[in-house]
Amino acid sequence: EAGVAQSPRYKIIEKRQSVAFWCNPISGHATLYWYQQILGQGPKLLIQFQNNGVVDDSQLPKDRFSAERLKGVDSTLKIQPAKLEDSAVYLCASSLERGLAHGQFFGPGTRLTVL
Amino acid sequence: DQQVKQNSPSLSVQEGRISILNCDYTNSMFDYFLWYKKYPAEGPTFLISISSIKDKNEDGRFTVFLNKSAKHLSLHIVPSQPGDSAVYFCAASAQGGSEKLVFGKGTKLTVNP
Repeated sequence: EAGVAQSPRYKIIEKRQSVAFWCNPISGHATLYWYQQILGQGPKLLIQFQNNGVVDDSQLPKDRFSAERLKGVDSTLKIQPAKLEDSAVYLCASSLERGLAHGQFFGPGTRLTVL
Repeated sequence: DQQVKQNSPSLSVQEGRISILNCDYTNSMFDYFLWYKKYPAEGPTFLISISSIKDKNEDGRFTVFLNKSAKHLSLHIVPSQPGDSAVYFCAASAQGGSEKLVFGKGTKLTVNP
């Protein structure tokens, strides 16, 4: 079974630029999550999708971050404009259904550096 | 406000010995707890979990203990192996695991041969 795919793996941008990350979840997984992991911290949930609907985006900085999951499969996370404090690893995870805390499978992440 | 705390940033043990990783939580609504392991340049992988109706769960070399009154859980690895060297994250969820995961900062375990 193929795992969660993310691209790019690394990205370096200047502050105030925009950036987008892509995630392809495990086939058949209805729930998709985006996490932000700042160096020295644990992952923090930014947004959770159930199919292509948003379940929880309470910790998403909506003035600069946006995410979509078209057709309930792939997802993109965008930052516009980026700030220095957005430097982090952005992790995508998926699970077969909502509520399976132990069933979240994580991708390798995208490491973003904002200069 | 950190609801899940891992106060030891790092831990070093000898191969074959026991590794004990600790985690404290403050939110009384948490009733499902998980440990994840993370290798460099990889995403976290699920290791073991425990529901608040239990005080112990065992899976091979890994055992998680939960002390609800102290709001404390620990992960025991016996015997420790060099391949166990990784960052271990404690995570908690409410509503039996259906609510979002809240992670601690992680503990870097090094197992020396």
